[in-house]
Amino acid sequence: ETGVTQTPRHLVMGMTNKKSLKCEQHLGHNAMYWYKQSAKKPLELMFVYSLEERVENNSVPSRFSPECPNSSHLFLHLHTLQPEDSALYLCASSQDSGLSGTQYFGPGTRLLVL
Amino acid sequence: EDQVTQSPEALRLQEGESSSLNCSYTVSGLRGLFWYRQDPGKGPEFLFTLYSAGEEKEKERLKATLTKKESFLHITAPKPEDSATYLCAVGDQGGSEKLVFGKGTKLTVNP
Repeated sequence: ETGVTQTPRHLVMGMTNKKSLKCEQHLGHNAMYWYKQSAKKPLELMFVYSLEERVENNSVPSRFSPECPNSSHLFLHLHTLQPEDSALYLCASSQDSGLSGTQYFGPGTRLLVL
Repeated sequence: EDQVTQSPEALRLQEGESSSLNCSYTVSGLRGLFWYRQDPGKGPEFLFTLYSAGEEKEKERLKATLTKKESFLHITAPKPEDSATYLCAVGDQGGSEKLVFGKGTKLTVNP
């Protein structure tokens, strides 16, 4: 595997379900990110981890819970989501803790909440 | 507040018809300006990083330029495979160090 991988690629869940999105980066980077991409909107930064420590939380609802067990893996735990949470969720990584450096993205998870 | 505005929202070109996409930005201090390409249902693919006014970078039919207020992505003799959404993002020295993205320009190149 190379670059940034995400699983699953597609996910359909009900509002009462609990699911998790997984991201893995094979680039040796120290920072990882979760973004939300909705139609007609810019990418919205959700969470940033640098060296496994959360450094940014952009006022994201508590129904989204991130976890970064090591510098290569990032999870987004989902529970009691709303239909408006349907979107493409993108994971990215960058080399170091300079968080505005070049970020490399995974293919995304397309989430549909019914 | 940092702002990034991309224009036009959508652009249709004939194969071989050169054009430019614009990214205007407002930051307290530019840390870097980034161009990405995104195909439908996929993650953004990194194209270029520009750091200072006057800087230019090229890759195949694409050329990115930077001034103190905007960046252009010039597409020379485009092909249908250049069809994608092109995203611009800026990093601000004085901000929270996160990237701020524009809404993108959707480019369609007809054969």
